[in-house]
Amino acid sequence: GAVVSQHPSRVICKSGTSVKIECRSLDFQATTMFWYRQFPKQSLMLMATSNEGSKATYEQGVEKDKFLINHASLTLSTLTVTSAHPEDSSFYICSARGGTGGYEQYFGPGTRLTVT
Amino acid sequence: AQRVTQPEKLLSVFKGAPVELKCNYSYSGSPELFWYVQYSRQRLQLLLRHISRESIKGFTADLNKGETSFHLKKPFAQEEDSAMYYCALLGSNTGKLIFGQGTTLQVKP
Repeated sequence: GAVVSQHPSRVICKSGTSVKIECRSLDFQATTMFWYRQFPKQSLMLMATSNEGSKATYEQGVEKDKFLINHASLTLSTLTVTSAHPEDSSFYICSARGGTGGYEQYFGPGTRLTVT
Repeated sequence: AQRVTQPEKLLSVFKGAPVELKCNYSYSGSPELFWYVQYSRQRLQLLLRHISRESIKGFTADLNKGETSFHLKKPFAQEEDSAMYYCALLGSNTGKLIFGQGTTLQVKP
């Protein structure tokens, strides 16, 4: 089946620094990728939708200047958390759609971000 | 508004007991609904979708448009079914998934 990877799986950074998270579709071309945030034992909150070669569409309340998304190719999207604060600490999950699934989304394993 | 509601945060049953995880939705038109499962320390994965009318790992879910529900059922729970379950609705014209709050299923031995 379709596989989505994320890197890194876990990252710790200091307040004020930026951190980049990569999301890759390994065996299919992802025309659309989604970025979610998940708090402990809570639901997934969609942050933004990115289509290859175009600007990401952010959900209401998500700061686009803080969470920079780049979908440079059909297999790679990146999320950069800029000027990170402790409240940005969370589990970030990407998903990708494309390939044979049509509307089906395939999820990455997630990245645990801790800002100290 | 398009919304998915899972009223139970936690459902705890004994092994062998029947399980029903509730999901209600708000949507105008014909919804496309899914159940996703997240086992401990694993990624979210699709369990089943209503259009397939399939049974996966003994789970089934029937779309009830009258009650706007898509409850997930299994006649005999197993310990390995313990996980977080999310009901999701495919948003119209957006391709975005709208997730419910999730229900933790705990199957006790």
